[in-house]
Amino acid sequence: AQRVTQPEKLLSVFKGAPVELKCNYSYSGSPELFWYVQYSRQRLQLLLRHISRESIKGFTADLNKGETSFHLKKPFAQEEDSAMYYCALRGQGGSEKLVFGKGTKLTVNP
Amino acid sequence: DAGVTQSPTHLIKTRGQQVTLRCSPISGHKSVSWYQQVLGQGPQFIFQYYEKEERGRGNFPDRFSARQFPNYSSELNVNALLLGDSALYLCASSFDTNQPQHFGDGTRLSIL
Repeated sequence: AQRVTQPEKLLSVFKGAPVELKCNYSYSGSPELFWYVQYSRQRLQLLLRHISRESIKGFTADLNKGETSFHLKKPFAQEEDSAMYYCALRGQGGSEKLVFGKGTKLTVNP
Repeated sequence: DAGVTQSPTHLIKTRGQQVTLRCSPISGHKSVSWYQQVLGQGPQFIFQYYEKEERGRGNFPDRFSARQFPNYSSELNVNALLLGDSALYLCASSFDTNQPQHFGDGTRLSIL
């Protein structure tokens, strides 16, 4: 079964502090992992996908197959990073179905 | 550049009624997926269509159905509405099966 777990429902940090949003997954194969972000009053938008191995808005995420994790990190949080973050998994085999975690609400305090 | 558009934005129905939600994908995108997002949860997959054929179906009852038209737009139909169907319904489109999905703003469905 495909499952994505985001253990933290809420995460609060101060501006300039490092931030890590945790994501663990369960999938018997090689999945594709994504991070989606939803800013206040905006639509869900793609932040990162693991196969791109890029940094967006200072965020990075590395797929750790041994620990089945895809944690999202940023060394210095900014107030504009405050948003809802969802980790999602897409299995292989032709289906585009995304399996989402429940999300983590990040608040960056001034 | 227009993104994924969904209509209506809000809808109020009563139990037992039927509802149709509409989605227009990004121009050139051939795949449309539907998700249900209940308050406090992540989106949950309902249907996926690619080139007008159903490619996947989530764990939802037969009251839920969908279709994709030749212009790649899509409709989601829900019959015999229940209170538990109250949710945000999201549509996402992508160019093909290997590309990321782009989401619309959703339709907020409230069942009284």
